[in-house]
Amino acid sequence: GAVVSQHPSWVICKSGTSVKIECRSLDFQATTMFWYRQFPKQSLMLMATSNEGSKATYEQGVEKDKFLINHASLTLSTLTVTSAHPEDSSFYICSARKVPNEKLFFGSGTQLSVL
Amino acid sequence: SQQGEEDPQALSIQEGENATMNCSYKTSINNLQWYRQNSGRGLVHLILIRSNEREKHSGRLRVTLDTSKKSSSLLITASRAADTASYFCATDAGAFGKGITLSVRP
Repeated sequence: GAVVSQHPSWVICKSGTSVKIECRSLDFQATTMFWYRQFPKQSLMLMATSNEGSKATYEQGVEKDKFLINHASLTLSTLTVTSAHPEDSSFYICSARKVPNEKLFFGSGTQLSVL
Repeated sequence: SQQGEEDPQALSIQEGENATMNCSYKTSINNLQWYRQNSGRGLVHLILIRSNEREKHSGRLRVTLDTSKKSSSLLITASRAADTASYFCATDAGAFGKGITLSVRP
């Protein structure tokens, strides 16, 4: 099976600091990775789609300068929450896809708490 | 974004009964996928149905797809308490619907 590793699982930070979340495909090359955030008892909200070697495509309403996404290789994408504030506290989860039109493989998510 | 929408939002049934969850989406798709999420956060892929398929089975799961109506349904037959979870549909563009919380009473 395909494994997606997401790190860290949880992070607590002070307001104003930046936090980086990593998403790695361990045993396959991911042409596309997706980043989501999820609030309690709600669905996953797609933040951005990341293709290796190109700029991420952000969903409407998602600040690209606030949520920096880098997909520098076929096995790694990172999400950096810059100058985090308490309202950025949420569960962030990534997914990866081997090839177009195939299923997604999910990381285990990162719970971010900004104090 | 290609958001899907599920109906109903919450469903409570007795063990052994069938559970049907519906999903609608707004744009064209190559495939539609259903996922399950337990309270422990991880998402599990259940089934993928392609745009040229109308019905697909996997164990106790049955998925239908109507591209003309831009809708899909997930049927879980002979439900078990362990099926209690949230269920989501997602388009191949990666957008998820609102989700249905299924509670199966023992």
